[in-house]
Amino acid sequence: AQSVTQLGSHVSVSEGALVLLRCNYSSSVPPYLFWYVQYPNQGLQLLLKYTTGATLVKGINGFEAEFKKSETSFHLTKPSAHMSDAAEYFCAVSKYSSASKIIFGSGTRLSIRP
Amino acid sequence: EAGVAQSPRYKIIEKRQSVAFWCNPISGHATLYWYQQILGQGPKLLIQFQNNGVVDDSQLPKDRFSAERLKGVDSTLKIQPAKLEDSAVYLCASSFNYRDRSSPLHFGNGTRLTVT
Repeated sequence: AQSVTQLGSHVSVSEGALVLLRCNYSSSVPPYLFWYVQYPNQGLQLLLKYTTGATLVKGINGFEAEFKKSETSFHLTKPSAHMSDAAEYFCAVSKYSSASKIIFGSGTRLSIRP
Repeated sequence: EAGVAQSPRYKIIEKRQSVAFWCNPISGHATLYWYQQILGQGPKLLIQFQNNGVVDDSQLPKDRFSAERLKGVDSTLKIQPAKLEDSAVYLCASSFNYRDRSSPLHFGNGTRLTVT
């Protein structure tokens, strides 16, 4: 069965510091992986996705994630945090079956300290 | 392109009452999803439509929840009767075609339901 685990329900970093949000997945087939961001009182917005090919994926707002098969990980990073990055971040995996659907992790709330 | 539209944005009801949510997906998107997001958790899929047919409703509490997408465009999710544990944000999403695993979801802003 496909699933994702996000380590750390809350991460706090200083403005300008590195952002690292962790995601590990389990999948019996090559996974399709996604990161979504949710700002307060809004729906989820796609940040980036990995399907096949290059393992380092660049997304919007300066975020990127690296697919590491050996570690079953898909961590999200940003070199320098900005106040506007404060939000909830969700890692997700596309479940491979006749009815493909996306399974979300429990989320990580990112806070930015001035 | 216009995004996924949902209404209402907020709803407060008493337990045992009924409530309905409406969703209009992005034009041309064949697949429509309803997710339930309880505070502090990730979205949980309730039901998935392809055009006007149900693809997956395995996690929909069918004794109280129902959903339809009669003309393959708009969709309505209903809860009757509501319970306290139904308090959550109900998110509607759409994608071009669920058979394409790489096809991302496009979400509406959700309806926040409070059951008292």
